[in-house]
Amino acid sequence: GQNIDQPTEMTATEGAIVQINCTYQTSGFNGLFWYQQHAGEAPTFLSYNVLDGLEEKGRFSSFLSRSKGYSYLLLKELQMKDSASYLCAVRDMNTGFQKLVFGTGTRLLVSP
Amino acid sequence: DGGITQSPKYLFRKEGQNVTLSCEQNLNHDAMYWYRQDPGQGLRLIYYSQIVNDFQKGDIAEGYSVSREKKESFPLTVTSAQKNPTAFYLCASSIVWGPAAGGTEAFFGQGTRLTVV
Repeated sequence: GQNIDQPTEMTATEGAIVQINCTYQTSGFNGLFWYQQHAGEAPTFLSYNVLDGLEEKGRFSSFLSRSKGYSYLLLKELQMKDSASYLCAVRDMNTGFQKLVFGTGTRLLVSP
Repeated sequence: DGGITQSPKYLFRKEGQNVTLSCEQNLNHDAMYWYRQDPGQGLRLIYYSQIVNDFQKGDIAEGYSVSREKKESFPLTVTSAQKNPTAFYLCASSIVWGPAAGGTEAFFGQGTRLTVV
């Protein structure tokens, strides 16, 4: 099976930097995704990692260490609109079928 | 424009009734997924399908059923056996095969909010 852990909630100040961690355990790892979800809306894609290292995309960066089963999403220059839930998802191919499993999400509150 | 469409946006069900949630995509994606989201929670996988006429149970399949008769369509039926069906349901699709498959994310529909009355 899969086990994906994220902190439940985080708070940060506008303009600051925040790091959201995700740890996972899976036997058929084939990529890790980060999504942003505003309340009542569908998740939107932020980043993808399959090899170790850092992927940067504007104000957002994501890091992966496969040996440690660990990823983080780094948000820089925080804006009020970044208040949302951030979901870590792992693609698992252990069954031979592509299965996309999500963590419980981290709710980020950005204050002025 | 290509996309994934869920309908209806809001659905009310009486206790003991079966209801079917629609999910259609014109992205030519192989894989389709159904997730359930409860307030303040993450997404839990109900069913997923990688190919027409085949699907797999996710982590919380009890009380739900699906079909995949066409590549574009993956309807979810919430049966009367599902004792607590009130939730936000999300459908997603993604590429499985081909050189672009590795880095391609799953795309989501806008969701269906189901309420038992």
